[in-house]
Amino acid sequence: GGIITQTPKFLIGQEGQKLTLKCQQNFNHDTMYWYRQDSGKGLRLIYYSITENDLQKGDLSEGYDASREKKSSFSLTVTSAQKNEMAVFLCASSIGGQGIERLFFGHGTKLSVL
Amino acid sequence: GEQVEQRPPHLSVREGDSAVIICTYTDPNSYYFFWYKQEPGAGLQLLMKVFSSTEINEGQGFTVLLNKKDKQLSLNLTAAHPGDSAVYFCAVRGGGSALGRLHFGAGTQLIVIP
Repeated sequence: GGIITQTPKFLIGQEGQKLTLKCQQNFNHDTMYWYRQDSGKGLRLIYYSITENDLQKGDLSEGYDASREKKSSFSLTVTSAQKNEMAVFLCASSIGGQGIERLFFGHGTKLSVL
Repeated sequence: GEQVEQRPPHLSVREGDSAVIICTYTDPNSYYFFWYKQEPGAGLQLLMKVFSSTEINEGQGFTVLLNKKDKQLSLNLTAAHPGDSAVYFCAVRGGGSALGRLHFGAGTQLIVIP
């Protein structure tokens, strides 16, 4: 079986700082996703990518950049961390990008901004 | 666009009791439905994927019901045990051509008391 690895597991930043989260998968999946999970709000899609070097905006892309450097990796950058921001960022992958495939998730990166 | 409401946000039941989580969606053209389980500190794991033509879907220890007339999806745990304690999310693939667009409910924190 495959695995999705997110690094770091915990990220503490300062207000205004640029922060980068990384995700690697060895499923050989085409599509990768970044979701933000806030308490009581479900998962909201930030960016996704259907192939290497592709980038598609989700519903919450403002304030974030993403990069699909190669098929197996997808990184997310918080361009300017907001004070007191606290959320979990989940990376996922799937075979296709039609929204009907099973998603495989990483364990998340928990962000806290001081 | 698609809206997904999930209830209840929190649910406590005794071991052996049943537990029901309900999601209501708005897009009548939605055609794929998912239930995911998230254990503490872990990513989401797929419980079941349901296509719109199947109203009753049996899993191990749970049943997923799809009521297209009322646009409701439910997860019914028949005899809950402590290992079922987790956060449960429904997700809906709405109609339309937007790739990668799953809509998640806000989640239900289930606690099963031994």
